[in-house]
Amino acid sequence: EAGVTQFPSHSVIEKGQTVTLRCDPISGHDNLYWYRRVMGKEIKFLLHFVKESKQDESGMPNNRFLAERTGGTYSTLKVQPAELEDSGVYFCASSQDLGGGEKLFFGSGTQLSVL
Amino acid sequence: GESVGLHLPTLSVQEGDNSIINCAYSNSASDYFIWYKQESGKGPQFIIDIRSNMDKRQGQRVTVLLNKTVKHLSLQIAATQPGDSAVYFCAEKYAGNMLTFGGGTRLMVKP
Repeated sequence: EAGVTQFPSHSVIEKGQTVTLRCDPISGHDNLYWYRRVMGKEIKFLLHFVKESKQDESGMPNNRFLAERTGGTYSTLKVQPAELEDSGVYFCASSQDLGGGEKLFFGSGTQLSVL
Repeated sequence: GESVGLHLPTLSVQEGDNSIINCAYSNSASDYFIWYKQESGKGPQFIIDIRSNMDKRQGQRVTVLLNKTVKHLSLQIAATQPGDSAVYFCAEKYAGNMLTFGGGTRLMVKP
């Protein structure tokens, strides 16, 4: 079974540019999450999709970040315009259902460097 | 992938010894807890989970202990191996399905 895949694995951009990160969840997983780890600190929640709908986007830092999940399959996270403080690792995770406890499967992340 | 953080709390153990990694969680209403392992260049990998109605759960070479009185979670690794070297994150779940992660602990295994 293919795991969660993320593209690109690394991205280096200049301040003010736009970057789009992509996540392909495990096939059949309705739940898709974006997390990020900045400055080697804790992994912080950004948002949660159930199929194509945003269930919770309380972790999105500001309106420079836009996440989409058209058709309820893969998701994109766009940062426009990128700022220095956006540098970090962006993780995507997916899970199958909303049971009493759920195990998230993570991708390898996209290392974003904003110069 | 990423290189793991340089300023994390670090636990250094000898190969073959047991490791105990501790975590203090924040919300007394959390009902589910999970440990993840992150190796350099990879995403977090599931290790073991536990619900709030349990105090202890064992897996293969790993045991998670939950003390709700003091909001403390620990991960015990038996007979630590070089392949166990990684950053370990605890996470708690409350307020729906959002996992909240701790800051991580780096485990270094000396041969």
